[in-house]
Amino acid sequence: GQSLEQPSEVTAVEGAIVQINCTYQTSGFYGLSWYQQHDGGAPTFLSYNALDGLEETGRFSSFLSRSDSYGYLLLQELQMKDSASYFCAPEGAGKSTFGDGTTLTVKP
Amino acid sequence: EAQVTQNPRYLITVTGKKLTVTCSQNMNHEYMSWYRQDPGLGLRQIYYSMNVEVTDKGDVPEGYKVSRKEKRNFPLILESPSPNQTSLYFCASSLRVAGAGNEQFFGPGTRLTVL
Repeated sequence: GQSLEQPSEVTAVEGAIVQINCTYQTSGFYGLSWYQQHDGGAPTFLSYNALDGLEETGRFSSFLSRSDSYGYLLLQELQMKDSASYFCAPEGAGKSTFGDGTTLTVKP
Repeated sequence: EAQVTQNPRYLITVTGKKLTVTCSQNMNHEYMSWYRQDPGLGLRQIYYSMNVEVTDKGDVPEGYKVSRKEKRNFPLILESPSPNQTSLYFCASSLRVAGAGNEQFFGPGTRLTVL
């Protein structure tokens, strides 16, 4: 079967660094995606890891270890606008499984 | 402008009255998918389509139907809606090339209430 775990809530202060972990179990794994969703809005794509290692996109980085079925999203230099929900999503050939998401609250 | 559109954005209906939520994308994407999102929860995949005339069940397909007659459109059909289908629905599309970015572009969402 499929399972997905990520923390439900994380709180950090402006300027800090936060890491959101994701462990998954899924068949037919292609890669791990991360999405951001602000309250009431549509999810937007942040990053995708098909191979092991770190991918960096500006203030955001994402890491994948296929052997450990583990990934994380690293957000640096946190800003108030980063307050949102973050979803990891293991991707298969057709199926996408989104976790329940991590609500990040950035405080001044 | 590259986008995914959904209609209607808001809908209040009654139990048993058939409805269709339309989804259209202008990016020539092969892959399209429907999700529902309930309060405090993530997105659960209802159905997806790898290409025209190819559809498959996601994790929560019961009570829903889809069709993919054209590449750009992927309507979601509720033949006999029930109150437990009250939810926020998102349509998404992507190129879906294995090993590539696989970025899914989401529509703005349809908030459905079934009384």
